Amino acid sequence: NAGVMQNPRHLVRRRGQEARLRCSPMKGHSHVYWYRQLPEEGLKFMVYLQKENIIDESGMPKERFSAEFPKEGPSILRIQQVVRGDSAAYFCASSPPTSASTDTQYFGPGTRLTVL
Amino acid sequence: GENVEQHPSTLSVQEGDSAVIKCTYSDSASNYFPWYKQELGKGPQLIIDIRSNVGEKKDQRIAVTLNKTAKHFSLHITETQPEDSAVYFCAATDSWGKLQFGAGTQVVVTP
Repeated sequence: NAGVMQNPRHLVRRRGQEARLRCSPMKGHSHVYWYRQLPEEGLKFMVYLQKENIIDESGMPKERFSAEFPKEGPSILRIQQVVRGDSAAYFCASSPPTSASTDTQYFGPGTRLTVL
Repeated sequence: GENVEQHPSTLSVQEGDSAVIKCTYSDSASNYFPWYKQELGKGPQLIIDIRSNVGEKKDQRIAVTLNKTAKHFSLHITETQPEDSAVYFCAATDSWGKLQFGAGTQVVVTP
């Protein structure tokens, strides 16, 4: 029973390039959440998606960041024109297709993005 | 929105002693409170959670207590072992169901 999978685990980009982070939820889960963790800080909510729908993107920066969760395939967090301040660990979590407010979220291993 | 505060930021305990981490939250509508353990270079791992209809939950050496009136909840680890060394995060759901995390507690268990 595979857990939440994320790839790549480490990603290095130069300023101005694009970063694409992928997340495959646990089997049977249809809710995906993305969080960002800066060094020695807690996790900050970015976006909550269900299949083909963005439910809540209140934590996403207004520019350069986008997320999708297509009908087929993994969820993608896309960062365009990366800047040094985007360097962080990005975690994906998934939960089962029931009421959202009290669902347990299971986290993936994260993608560590370094912007040179 | 929800605001979660966590204390202490670091905690050093002797092996075999107990460790207690406390969190407070601001949104009285919050009804789900998980605790996660994060080891270096890894993702957060759920270790225990509690819902608002109970005041205490225990799983072997780990227990969580919830005081909804005072809006605080605590993690208790008894008989600590070196493998308990990690960063622990509390979290609470806000009115929209999103998890808001505390800043984390670095726990160091010394042999």
